[in-house]
Amino acid sequence: GAGVSQSPSNKVTEKGKDVELRCDPISGHTALYWYRQSLGQGLEFLIYFQGNSAPDKSGLPSDRFSAERTGGSVSTLTIQRTQQEDSAVYLCASSLERHGYTFGSGTRLTVV
Amino acid sequence: EDKVVQSPLSLVVHEGDTVTLNCSYEVTNFRSLLWYKQEKKAPTFLFMLTSSGIEKKSGRLSSILDKKELSSILNITATQTGDSAIYLCAENLGNEKLTFGTGTRLTIIP
Repeated sequence: GAGVSQSPSNKVTEKGKDVELRCDPISGHTALYWYRQSLGQGLEFLIYFQGNSAPDKSGLPSDRFSAERTGGSVSTLTIQRTQQEDSAVYLCASSLERHGYTFGSGTRLTVV
Repeated sequence: EDKVVQSPLSLVVHEGDTVTLNCSYEVTNFRSLLWYKQEKKAPTFLFMLTSSGIEKKSGRLSSILDKKELSSILNITATQTGDSAIYLCAENLGNEKLTFGTGTRLTIIP
C-alpha cells in the first residue's frame, strides 16, 4: 500500500487478556519498528526488524511482549496478560535502510 | 543511554508569531537528528540534520544543528493554527533505532 497500515486503530481489552496488534509496512521497506507512546511521553523503542537478520528486541519491557514479522512483510506485536500500564498508543514504522521512517497511524490500546 | 531533551515542554502563542523549539542530544555514535510533527497519532517527517551544519528549510519551517552545542532548533515563522501539534526530535545513532525526546506541544491561538 501507499503507507504503513496498522490495525485495529483502537482496542479496549480487559486486564489479563492477550492482544495482537498488526502492522502492514510499505511494500519494499526492509526495516520495521515498533514504538510505544504513553500519555504525555515521547516514543519508546520496542523492537526492530531488518531484513532476515535477528530482530533487536532490546526495548521490549517484559517477557509478556513479543513480536514477529512473517515473510519480511507484515508484523504482529503480541501482549500477553495485559496490564493497565500497557495502555498506550503503539506505533509501527517502516523504512528503507538509512532513510527516514514512515509511521503508521497507530493502535490506541486501553486496558481496563 | 543517550538522551534527547526537548524544550519547552509546551508553548502557546498567537497566530502569526514566530516560535523556536529546542532539542539537545548526547553524542556517542551520532549519525543524524530528525524532527517530526505529530498531530493525531502518526508522526510525520519534517527534517533530517547531520553534523554538516547545513540548514534545512521547508516553507515557513526551518531547522539547523549546532554540533558544538549538541543541539538543534526548529523555527516556525508566521505560525498558523494548523501548526498546532507535538513536535518530536529524535537522534539516530546509526543502528537505525531512533531515540525520541518527549516532544514540545505547540498550541497556536487564532
